[in-house]
Amino acid sequence: KAGVTQTPRYLIKTRGQQVTLSCSPISGHRSVSWYQQTPGQGLQFLFEYFSETQRNKGNFPGRFSGRQFSNSRSEMNVSTLELGDSALYLCASSLMQISNSPLHFGNGTRLTVT
Amino acid sequence: DAKTTQPTSMDCAEGRAANLPCNHSTISGNEYVYWYRQIHSQGPQYIIHGLKNNETNEMASLIITEDRKSSTLILPHATLRDTAVYYCIVRVNAGGTSYGKLTFGQGTILTVHP
Repeated sequence: KAGVTQTPRYLIKTRGQQVTLSCSPISGHRSVSWYQQTPGQGLQFLFEYFSETQRNKGNFPGRFSGRQFSNSRSEMNVSTLELGDSALYLCASSLMQISNSPLHFGNGTRLTVT
Repeated sequence: DAKTTQPTSMDCAEGRAANLPCNHSTISGNEYVYWYRQIHSQGPQYIIHGLKNNETNEMASLIITEDRKSSTLILPHATLRDTAVYYCIVRVNAGGTSYGKLTFGQGTILTVHP
């Protein structure tokens, strides 16, 4: 079974631009979460989607948004990019919305903002 | 979520068992203990999780103390490829809304040497 797939793997953008990252969860998984990882802040939760609805959101500005499609695939968007948005963005999926269902992570999209 | 405390770093000889401790003294009765690891430039990899009983899978064993205030992840025969950052996470059980939100600490850097 294929794992969580994130595209693109690497991305370079200029300050002020916007970016869209894509995540395909493991087949059959309906819950998708997004995380940001930076050397200074570590892994931080961005948001979580289930059945095309945002279920929870982390402490990030409104420039960060996401959505989930009917096939459970998810995208996240960052508008008006800042240098501090340079990070590894990780997507995770889980089979069910219970705490006994592990999250499985993709290998992320490395975003560099110049 | 309950806070976890892990040693910053540990060393282990190849072929020997690696025992990674984690303290979670404020854990609630309905919270799971999860372990993930992250190898450089990859997403976190799920290892194992448990509630009360000890657990074992093909990757590792998880030993949870009877009072649930601490746990130990055991890699029975460490290899060089087990060198990674290991995260111990306490995850809220059913009844909450943050199923996709995991709170990562700084983890333990495990170095396996020849």
